[in-house]
Amino acid sequence: AQSVTQLDSQVPVFEEAPVELRCNYSSSVSVYLFWYVQYPNQGLQLLLKYLSGSTLVESINGFEAEFNKSQTSFHLRKPSVHISDTAEYFCAVSDYSGTYKYIFGTGTRLKVLA
Amino acid sequence: NAGVTQTPKFRILKIGQSMTLQCAQDMNHNYMYWYRQDPGMGLKLIYYSVGAGITDKGEVPNGYNVSRSTTEDFPLRLELAAPSQTSVYFCASSYSTGIYEQYFGPGTRLTVT
Repeated sequence: AQSVTQLDSQVPVFEEAPVELRCNYSSSVSVYLFWYVQYPNQGLQLLLKYLSGSTLVESINGFEAEFNKSQTSFHLRKPSVHISDTAEYFCAVSDYSGTYKYIFGTGTRLKVLA
Repeated sequence: NAGVTQTPKFRILKIGQSMTLQCAQDMNHNYMYWYRQDPGMGLKLIYYSVGAGITDKGEVPNGYNVSRSTTEDFPLRLELAAPSQTSVYFCASSYSTGIYEQYFGPGTRLTVT
């Protein structure tokens, strides 16, 4: 991937409201796409990933992301957020151009308000 | 499995001092990585390794050195610490690259004053 863009550095949202965290990438070849979550004072952990097949992928805690090849996007959504979803979310892209490159976005800080 | 472990959790260094950040993984992963995370800047790759004895520079290698003598361990050495190296450092590992996710340690928060 040439680049990964997460346009929103911070997203405040009220509890039980829906949220969308945006991720766009630029690449001229096939890509693998990942979302990671970082809870306060912890390392990153995988939330979900798209490798192939169905363009809609889901996590066990209610998040989903849709791969849109034409728009080169992989936005993360949740229909109803909880306080415990407060964290930083990173989009990552892996592609092959002679060698695999794995690039992280700059992160979006989701703050869920009571 | 402990996964990826890092020591120490916190460290304060004076300018010009040196230190080694330790990283170990027990998943028999071939690939290991060192990142630094600065507020609003995401993750920057410092060095990575594709197997024991093989290391390569990432995006921001200046001021750092690594070695990989075993599959399990991937220490990061800071020589002549500078304030610009104040950051949170994460070690990660993966089975391979491409489709494989990276597993991260809990991080080391380093302050250079």
